[in-house]
Amino acid sequence: NAGVMQNPRHLVRRRGQEARLRCSPMKGHSHVYWYRQLPEEGLKFMVYLQKENIIDESGMPKERFSAEFPKEGPSILRIQQVVRGDSAAYFCASSPRLTGGTEAFFGQGTRLTVV
Amino acid sequence: SQKIEQNSEALNIQEGKTATLTCNYTNYSPAYLQWYRQDPGRGPVFLLLIRENEKEKRKERLKVTFDTTLKQSLFHITASQPADSATYLCALDNSGNTPLVFGKGTRLSVIA
Repeated sequence: NAGVMQNPRHLVRRRGQEARLRCSPMKGHSHVYWYRQLPEEGLKFMVYLQKENIIDESGMPKERFSAEFPKEGPSILRIQQVVRGDSAAYFCASSPRLTGGTEAFFGQGTRLTVV
Repeated sequence: SQKIEQNSEALNIQEGKTATLTCNYTNYSPAYLQWYRQDPGRGPVFLLLIRENEKEKRKERLKVTFDTTLKQSLFHITASQPADSATYLCALDNSGNTPLVFGKGTRLSVIA
């Protein structure tokens, strides 16, 4: 049973370009969470999705950022018109249900560098 | 405002000693508290979960306590080894209402 798969592992974008980060949850998991981590900072919650639905996007910037989790295929975190401040590690986690006494399984992250 | 604090950014201890990491929180009422380990360049890995009505949980050399009165969790690694060197994150779990909220982590270095 493969774990949470994120790709790419590393992504370099020029300012103004779009970044697309992909996350395939563990088999059987329908809950996906995206977190952002800056150097020496903790994990900051961005968005929580279930299949085809955004449940909580309170941690996601209102502009340029969007997320989806279609019925088929991976969850996508999209950042439009990237700026240097978007450089960070983005982690995806999945769980079989909303964490209420349930562990979250994390991917290895995508390290985005904006040049 | 809500706040989670892990006692120190970095903790150095001698091999064989017990490492104790602290997680304090304010303005939360978590039903569970989770601890994760994160190695450089990797995603966090789940270690232990403790419920609000549990005082203590153990797993091999790991022990977690949860004091909802003090709003504090302690994470202990006994007989520490250099391989235990990593960043340890605590996470508050509000019983299914919101996703996990993480502290900044404590970077533990076990010196041989």
